[in-house]
Amino acid sequence: ILNVEQSPQSLHVQEGDSTNFTCSFPSSNFYALHWYRWETAKSPEALFVMTLNGDEKKKGRISATLNTKEGYSYLYIKGSQPEDSATYLCASRNSGNTPLVFGKGTRLSVIA
Amino acid sequence: NAGVTQTPKFRVLKTGQSMTLLCAQDMNHEYMYWYRQDPGMGLRLIHYSVGEGTTAKGEVPDGYNVSRLKKQNFLLGLESAAPSQTSVYFCASSNRQGSYNEQFFGPGTRLTVL
Repeated sequence: ILNVEQSPQSLHVQEGDSTNFTCSFPSSNFYALHWYRWETAKSPEALFVMTLNGDEKKKGRISATLNTKEGYSYLYIKGSQPEDSATYLCASRNSGNTPLVFGKGTRLSVIA
Repeated sequence: NAGVTQTPKFRVLKTGQSMTLLCAQDMNHEYMYWYRQDPGMGLRLIHYSVGEGTTAKGEVPDGYNVSRLKKQNFLLGLESAAPSQTSVYFCASSNRQGSYNEQFFGPGTRLTVL
């Protein structure tokens, strides 16, 4: 089964700091990489879907990059705010016919 | 548009009891999924469906059954609940299993098996 790993497991940053975390996935047979944001007591919500090597996506202060050749994606948050506190999940699939496999997430806490 | 809804929100069962969790979506999505979320384990896929009348096993299917009799509904059944099935269950749907189609999640069902 596909193995998707995320690091770090948790992260505490001060308001205003920029931060980033990593998602690693097998580079062979790559098909797509998803990022989701999961606030406590809510459901995961999609942030980005990326498929091409070198893809960069941005939504407000959050951006993501994709390197399919080496099997990693970075999620960046610029100027973290308390409302950014959440668990960030990445998920990958290796074909159009297989389901997403999720990593265990990175839990971000932004301290005011 | 309600999106993805789940019933019930909470449930407590005794070991050996059975129950069915209902997931409904009003987005006309082809694909539906059931996940369980346990501390430190992330989201693990139980079963999924690629269309009405079809189901397939995910990563952790044992002890669960599913049915997709109508396109908008995906049922998850526990025939004989065990304490190991204490978890939060999330349903999700997507338009198709293509690369660009993100999954939409329901609010979750918290199940405790005593």
